[in-house]
Amino acid sequence: DAKTTQPTSMDCAEGRAANLPCNHSTISGNEYVYWYRQIHSQGPQYIIHGLKNNETNEMASLIITEDRKSSTLILPHATLRDTAVYYCIVRRNTGTASKLTFGTGTRLQVTL
Amino acid sequence: NAGVTQTPKFRILKIGQSMTLQCTQDMNHNYMYWYRQDPGMGLKLIYYSVGAGITDKGEVPNGYNVSRSTTEDFPLRLELAAPSQTSVYFCASSYTQSNTDTQYFGPGTRLTVL
Repeated sequence: DAKTTQPTSMDCAEGRAANLPCNHSTISGNEYVYWYRQIHSQGPQYIIHGLKNNETNEMASLIITEDRKSSTLILPHATLRDTAVYYCIVRRNTGTASKLTFGTGTRLQVTL
Repeated sequence: NAGVTQTPKFRILKIGQSMTLQCTQDMNHNYMYWYRQDPGMGLKLIYYSVGAGITDKGEVPNGYNVSRSTTEDFPLRLELAAPSQTSVYFCASSYTQSNTDTQYFGPGTRLTVL
């Protein structure tokens, strides 16, 4: 699975959009971009994933560049409850069981 | 739909004791996983299962055993607990297909071995 690079930490004011970048310059054509987050002491939570088109769900939007070498997770209206570590993971969907490799992620702090 | 549930939430063991961490999912997922997370670190895969009766080792299986007698349950057994097994343990499940492989995690079990 391709390696990802994320900033160590970011701050965001409550109510503003949080834009979390991720670089994955060695991504292969059949690898998906997944985003998970981990709120303190809780299990990781799936947010969104995509292959090459932009995706949106009730939690967030995922913008993937045309060359697929980077992506941005957007939380449109961040709240204090969005404070967490956000992980960008690139992996193939092999149709069989495989581990998730969590890097160090981005620690997002949402402030008043 | 409770998702993935784990018991207990917390446990303190003495060196050499044994215990079973319970994991149950009600989403009819075929795949289940056990991870451990040490303080400030990422998750490491201990064992996984692709269906009832089928289990396989992950990257850190030593000191652990698993079984999968039903689709819903995937218990993790610690034999002869050691301080190095102090960690937070997360169970996860997924319904894996070629275009999606989303894992859903339980709340975790925080284990301390003294």
